[in-house]
Amino acid sequence: DAGVTQSPTHLIKTRGQQVTLRCSPKSGHDTVSWYQQALGQGPQFIFQYYEEEERQRGNFPDRFSGHQFPNYSSELNVNALLLGDSALYLCASSLAILREQYFGPGTRLTVT
Amino acid sequence: ILNVEQSPQSLHVQEGDSTNFTCSFPSSNFYALHWYRWETAKSPEALFVMTLNGDEKKKGRISATLNTKEGYSYLYIKGSQPEDSATYLCAFLTGGGNKLTFGTGTQLKVEL
Repeated sequence: DAGVTQSPTHLIKTRGQQVTLRCSPKSGHDTVSWYQQALGQGPQFIFQYYEEEERQRGNFPDRFSGHQFPNYSSELNVNALLLGDSALYLCASSLAILREQYFGPGTRLTVT
Repeated sequence: ILNVEQSPQSLHVQEGDSTNFTCSFPSSNFYALHWYRWETAKSPEALFVMTLNGDEKKKGRISATLNTKEGYSYLYIKGSQPEDSATYLCAFLTGGGNKLTFGTGTQLKVEL
């Protein structure tokens, strides 16, 4: 049983560019959450998707958007990249928010 | 803005020592408290999901307690081993929300 997978593993982008990160949830999971983890911080909640809709959103600007597909996989899009967007982006899936979240290995984004 | 605080920030112990960390969270509007272990170069791994005041959970040498009235949870590790070296994160879920708010973690290093 494959766990949560994310792609790509690493990414280097330039300020102003756009990026798309991808996540496939653990088999049987229908809820996907995205987190940003900056150095020295705990993961910060970006948003959560369930039934192809954004169910909850954290304190992130509209430059951060997402999508969930019918097969429950998800994308995180970030437009107009800033240096401060450099971070590890984690995807987590669950059956429900009350249940433990299963995390992917993350995508390390560097903005230069 | 919810504050989830963890202490200590880091901890060095000797193999065989028992140790504990604290997670403090807002006592109002509580729904669940999650604990995760995050080893270097791996994905965060769920340890416990706790929902009831007075809950005590155990997994091997690791156990956790929960006090929702005063807003804290303790994580205990008995007889620490080098493989316990990791960052331990707690995350707070508010009632009516689907957003986990993480603390910044306690970094544990167990030395031989």
